[in-house]
Amino acid sequence: TQLLEQSPQFLSIQEGENLTVYCNSSSVFSSLQWYRQEPGEGPVLLVTVVTGGEVKKLKRLTFQFGDARKDSSLHITAAQPGDTGLYLCAGARGAQKLVFGQGTRLTINP
Amino acid sequence: KAGVTQTPRYLIKTRGQQVTLSCSPISGHRSVSWYQQTPGQGLQFLFEYFSETQRNKGNFPGRFSGRQFSNSRSEMNVSTLELGDSALYLCASSVQGQNTEAFFGQGTRLTVV
Repeated sequence: TQLLEQSPQFLSIQEGENLTVYCNSSSVFSSLQWYRQEPGEGPVLLVTVVTGGEVKKLKRLTFQFGDARKDSSLHITAAQPGDTGLYLCAGARGAQKLVFGQGTRLTINP
Repeated sequence: KAGVTQTPRYLIKTRGQQVTLSCSPISGHRSVSWYQQTPGQGLQFLFEYFSETQRNKGNFPGRFSGRQFSNSRSEMNVSTLELGDSALYLCASSVQGQNTEAFFGQGTRLTVV
């Protein structure tokens, strides 16, 4: 059973379009992190959200933590080819190990 | 500040052999976690070391082991390699442990033939 479900698993869109990817769970997390991973490299931390309802922006990327701290979304405005990669969400619960979703593989076509 | 360093980057081994992978965390980080990443299974947690002690362990067979040294550097060992062990092995360091932000190395790509 996957504790964190990411959707969609694959997304291919044209440059300039907007998109949203989701990270859902039935469990409550104390914090949630988003990473981007490029082929052959390790994941790079993008953001950590901690408070229910929190919204964080990183240039064209907007991250939101659900009010109940069970889900999160990542919205990209005017996607660019450089946004291509595997987006992973990871939830933290106390001292337990980070739980990772399966990832959303995003391809932005020029 | 140097990032997480993993060596080697690439490795090819034969079934039945053993392998040791190394991870040097960010200076000041005491926690090192290891993950196996495959296309089918995603990122799977192997174990976490904190101050030279294994603090958390995932659901992997005993062929997978690790250790951490007093300088926080960590090694991971896989014995009696199987074809299914082919994967990208990632280590992540953090200040205190699993519930804090993790910073990943570039990984070691292990291919078992």
